[in-house]
Amino acid sequence: GIQVEQSPPDLILQEGANSTLRCNFSDSVNNLQWFHQNPWGQLINLFYIPSGTKQNGRLSATTVATERYSLLYISSSQTTDSGVYFCAVESEGGSEKLVFGKGTKLTVNP
Amino acid sequence: NAGVMQNPRHLVRRRGQEARLRCSPVKGHSHVYWYRQLPEEGLKFMVYLQKENIIDESGMPKERFSAEFPKEGPSILRIQQVVRGDSAAYFCASSQFALPQYFGPGTRLTVL
Repeated sequence: GIQVEQSPPDLILQEGANSTLRCNFSDSVNNLQWFHQNPWGQLINLFYIPSGTKQNGRLSATTVATERYSLLYISSSQTTDSGVYFCAVESEGGSEKLVFGKGTKLTVNP
Repeated sequence: NAGVMQNPRHLVRRRGQEARLRCSPVKGHSHVYWYRQLPEEGLKFMVYLQKENIIDESGMPKERFSAEFPKEGPSILRIQQVVRGDSAAYFCASSQFALPQYFGPGTRLTVL
């Protein structure tokens, strides 16, 4: 099945810094979503982005489907950005199930 | 999270008891998915259902676990004779025409 790798596994930032999280996938995809799991365990939809670029406030994402990767950018990070960021994909011709990466754990210090 | 509701949010069971987890999808969504997150791990797909049909249950353990999505009412994930290894967060997601999936807040199951 499709493989999803996220990097880095851990990231520690000072408030105000920028960061880039990467998601590589091993096959063509119909669907790619980014999620933020906050310290209380809630899973928040960030982006649905099988291709192209989207922006939402301080967050933006780019997926280059032909090269099989996606990037999540966080600018001017805040302590509330702390948590785990997951990338999840549905492979083309797959059964609509999402395959999750292992996540990037982000800690933003004040 | 576009209105997917799960209850209960926290559930404590003793070994050997049954656990029933409920999921109400976003109004109008006919596709429901269940995922499990073991401690310190990512989410793993369990089962995909449409109204009254199981479409893909390739991620479900072969024994003790079952799921349904009846014509009326919420989707139910049922775990019989729970064991400590079933302790996890169980997330439900819903979609219309599959893309994208919207996730609920999860049910955290603790087995004593």
